[in-house]
Amino acid sequence: SQQGEEDPQALSIQEGENATMNCSYKTSINNLQWYRQNSGRGLVHLILIRSNEREKHSGRLRVTLDTSKKSSSLLITASRAADTASYFCATPRAGNNRKLIWGLGTSLAVNP
Amino acid sequence: GAGVSQSPSNKVTEKGKDVELRCDPISGHTALYWYRQRLGQGLEFLIYFQGNSAPDKSGLPSDRFSAERTGESVSTLTIQRTQQEDSAVYLCASSLGDVGNQPQHFGDGTRLSIL
Repeated sequence: SQQGEEDPQALSIQEGENATMNCSYKTSINNLQWYRQNSGRGLVHLILIRSNEREKHSGRLRVTLDTSKKSSSLLITASRAADTASYFCATPRAGNNRKLIWGLGTSLAVNP
Repeated sequence: GAGVSQSPSNKVTEKGKDVELRCDPISGHTALYWYRQRLGQGLEFLIYFQGNSAPDKSGLPSDRFSAERTGESVSTLTIQRTQQEDSAVYLCASSLGDVGNQPQHFGDGTRLSIL
């Protein structure tokens, strides 16, 4: 079964607006990672947030983690057309730091 | 280059043929992963190499799939007697260590189409 599940599955916004994507997971985690995938490309690591952290920022990205709710959110502020991509969350498999379990992703379209 | 390199970027072949996909990880990265991604889907783990340890092959879907890695360098993923359901993007990633602590760095993948 899925460890990470993102919602919404698809999101369409206008340039300049904020985009929020959510990820839920089922088991205890050491960290949670967010990745971006542009069409036809590999995945690019965005942020790794550890289980003892509640919030992390990187430029226009803000990630929160709520371990009590087993959920994380990725906020992209002041979105740009170049942010159009699929966004995935991934968590290490419980008790196994060698593998990540991936969600199906959120497809974000930022319209100019 | 500084990133993970995969070749070929695209491969079209007939059903029943064998294919070999190549991955050059980032120098110094001990961990290497192969994933399969079907259209519009997330990543499906295939195999994991870490240094000189025995690889974790638990994600390989059938015995037609195999992979090798020499030390901490290049890896090849081989699919024998390809089937149409093997059509997908095959992604390679490397990391400095276990993903419990380190992010993964991905290549752009090989898009495999089986006719």
